[in-house]
Amino acid sequence: SYELTQPPSVSVSPGQTARITCSGETLPKKYAYWYQQKSGQAPVLVIYEDSKRPSGIPERFSGSSSGTMATLTISGAQVEDEGDYYCYSTDSSGTLRVFGGGTKLTVL
Amino acid sequence: QVHLVESGGGVVQPGRSLRLSCVASGFTFRSFGIHWVRQAPGKGLEWVAVIWYDGINKYYADSVKGRFTISRDNSKNTVYLQMSSLRAEDTAVYYCVRDNLEVAGTYDYWGQGTLVTVSS
Repeated sequence: SYELTQPPSVSVSPGQTARITCSGETLPKKYAYWYQQKSGQAPVLVIYEDSKRPSGIPERFSGSSSGTMATLTISGAQVEDEGDYYCYSTDSSGTLRVFGGGTKLTVL
Repeated sequence: QVHLVESGGGVVQPGRSLRLSCVASGFTFRSFGIHWVRQAPGKGLEWVAVIWYDGINKYYADSVKGRFTISRDNSKNTVYLQMSSLRAEDTAVYYCVRDNLEVAGTYDYWGQGTLVTVSS
């Protein structure tokens, strides 16, 4: 089965840049998406199609993808950015979806 | 206003079956694909299954293929997840999620979830 691999945790101080990586063998051909989930809430899309930002998402959130790795970057991370971040993509056929294991971001 | 309301969760013994329902309102249900996504207690999100808008195309995660069946009744604005041969590792909150037609490959609305506990 297809997998996306993320680090379990990332920790930064407020104002620093947080980078969360996601690796998967089909990422060279398939888009990566990123969801933010805060405690007790439904996930929110923060990046789609590798690097596009939905309306309402702060400019400090950006995404990139190169080879088998996608990266979510939060430039000048703020305390309110704490939460779990999940990358998301599809298998090579484009029909099966998959979430990465999630990365807990701590900003303190 | 878009609403997705799941029901049918509960405590079930290993090997038994359970059927979840997701009732939708506030949008043209027959135009949207619907997914089930689950989250085990304290764990990450796991995509489970999808049924396309027409009910014909259905796809499943390897972890549930052959045990779970997704279906929909567009006359009732409802999607079902029939779960059989349940295992302890199926214990999770199950969310019903709507495809975002404006941003392909993403979700725009989530239900509140229904908890399934598989335990003897």
